[in-house]
This record gives sequence, C-alpha cells and structure tokens, in this order.
Amino acid sequence: DVKVTQSSRYLVKRTGEKVFLECVQDMDHENMFWYRQDPGLGLRLIYFSYDVKMKEKGDIPEGYSVSREKKERFSLILESASTNQTSMYLCASRRQGQLDYTFGSGTRLTVV
Amino acid sequence: SQQGEEDPQALSIQEGENATMNCSYKTSINNLQWYRQNSGRGLVHLILIRSNEREKHSGRLRVTLDTSKKSSSLLITASRAADTASYFCAAPPSKLTFGTGTRLQVTL
Repeated sequence: DVKVTQSSRYLVKRTGEKVFLECVQDMDHENMFWYRQDPGLGLRLIYFSYDVKMKEKGDIPEGYSVSREKKERFSLILESASTNQTSMYLCASRRQGQLDYTFGSGTRLTVV
Repeated sequence: SQQGEEDPQALSIQEGENATMNCSYKTSINNLQWYRQNSGRGLVHLILIRSNEREKHSGRLRVTLDTSKKSSSLLITASRAADTASYFCAAPPSKLTFGTGTRLQVTL
C-alpha cells in the first residue's frame, strides 16, 4: 500500500527552536508539497518541490524553508519557531503528469 | 489565493439521507478534485472530474461540473455515519489549493 509518512503525529516545541518536519513517500513521486491547516483558513500551501533539489515558494513561505536532497524525502524547516506557527502540517506528493495527490496523516505542531 | 471554496461550511443530516456540497472556483481549470478529511487526519482523494466532463459517478458519490458557472457539486447518496468528515474541493492550474471545506455530520 503506497503512502506518505510524516515522522511525527504530535510535536511540542519551544519558541525559538529550530524544528524539522519530515515527510517520506514510497511511490517514487516527483512532486511534493507542504501545507498548513488552520481553523477558518483552510489549507495553505507553504512550499513545494517538483523534483530533487528543486523548491518553489507557495502562498505562505515566510518563516519556513525546505530541503529535498533525496526524491523520497521532503523536509520542512522552521528556522526559529514562533507561537503563530502552531498548526496542523500536511505533506502531500504527486507523480509528475498525474492529477491527484496523496497526503500524509499530518503533524500537529504546538509551539509554546 | 484559494482556488476552490466550499459551501455550506457545515451540514448535518441523518443516516440514509443524501448530502450535497458545493464548490466555486475562480479561474479556468482543466480538472476539479474532491478530497475527504477525517478529523485530525490527512486528506484522501475521492474523485476527479475533468473540464470536458459534466458528471461523474463513483460508488455513492456523484460529482457535477458547470464550467460556465465555475462551480461543482458533490452528492453523497444514502449517507452513513462513517461519511462524517470534512470535504474539500481543489481546482488546480498547476498546484492544489484548498478552501476551508464542508464539515459533514451524519447522525444515526
């Protein structure tokens, strides 16, 4: 069964910490995406990557960076976590040329 | 900017009834997708309709697309308690963006 795996289901971090959210897919998909989901705001795209070592800013990239050193792994980095980054983070992947996305189960991050 | 806004925000029905959710989008599309999210989990792809299709069925799901009105609807027939979830539409030009979804509650 193909899937997208997010390393942590729940995470609590302190303000100012550097935080890494990991996402791994086993489907050999070229495209990978990071979203955050907040009540009343829906899902918002943070960053995406069309292939290894490629990255593009989404709608809300401020305060975040990403890394795609290997095809199967797409990491979201919070350089200095702040309380307004408390959110549900969702990773997704897609095969180039296909239309539908496969999502991970999400990481609920709390910054205190 | 969001390409895909769902309506209503919340819907409560009894088991066995049909549920209809609507989606409006802003720019031209080549396809529209519906996803489902169980509470606190990731999204699951339900169905995709291409811009040259007007209606599509998958099991108890029926999706319609009206490109002249830039709108789509998702109908779930004979709903079950297990259909309780949030439902999102997404209409990508190149990447998916989502609205806030419709929260469907199906009660026994």
